[in-house]
Amino acid sequence: EAGVAQSPRYKIIEKRQSVAFWCNPISGHATLYWYQQILGQGPKLLIQFQNNGVVDDSQLPKDRFSAERLKGVDSTLKIQPAKLEDSAVYLCASSRDRAETQYFGPGTRLLVL
Amino acid sequence: KQEVTQIPAALSVPEGENLVLNCSFTDSAIYNLQWFRQDPGKGLTSLLLIQSSQREQTSGRLNASLDKSSGRSTLYIAASQPGDSATYLCAVLTQGGSEKLVFGKGTKLTVNP
Repeated sequence: EAGVAQSPRYKIIEKRQSVAFWCNPISGHATLYWYQQILGQGPKLLIQFQNNGVVDDSQLPKDRFSAERLKGVDSTLKIQPAKLEDSAVYLCASSRDRAETQYFGPGTRLLVL
Repeated sequence: KQEVTQIPAALSVPEGENLVLNCSFTDSAIYNLQWFRQDPGKGLTSLLLIQSSQREQTSGRLNASLDKSSGRSTLYIAASQPGDSATYLCAVLTQGGSEKLVFGKGTKLTVNP
């Protein structure tokens, strides 16, 4: 069974630029999560999808971050414009359903200069 | 608001030593508690998951315990090896509303040959 795929693996941008990350969850998984992990911290949930609907986006900075999950499969997370403090690893995870085991992708490491 | 604390933040031991990592959480309304391993530049690998009704789980040289009433969990690693060097993260899956994983900051373990 293929795992959670993410791309790109690394991205370097200048502040005020925009960036997008892509996630392909495990086939058949209804729930998809995006986490932000700042160096030295544990991951923090940004947004949770159930199929193509948003369950929780309470910690998503909506003035600059947006995410979508069209057709309830792949998802994209966008930052526009980026700030220095957005430098972090962005992790995508999926689970068969809510409250079930989450499987994590390798993450996208973002550096904002 | 659920908070997860891990002690110690870093630990260095000689090879072969048995060791314990600690995790505490503030709200006992959880579905489960999970221990993850994170290698530098990599995603998260799930090690053990303990359901809220369980007291412990074992996998090879790893044993995790859960005392939900006191809000504590421990991860016991027997006969440590240099390959165990990584950051270990504890996370609880919260109940109510959106089921989200709340992570601690992790314990960075170094096992010296």
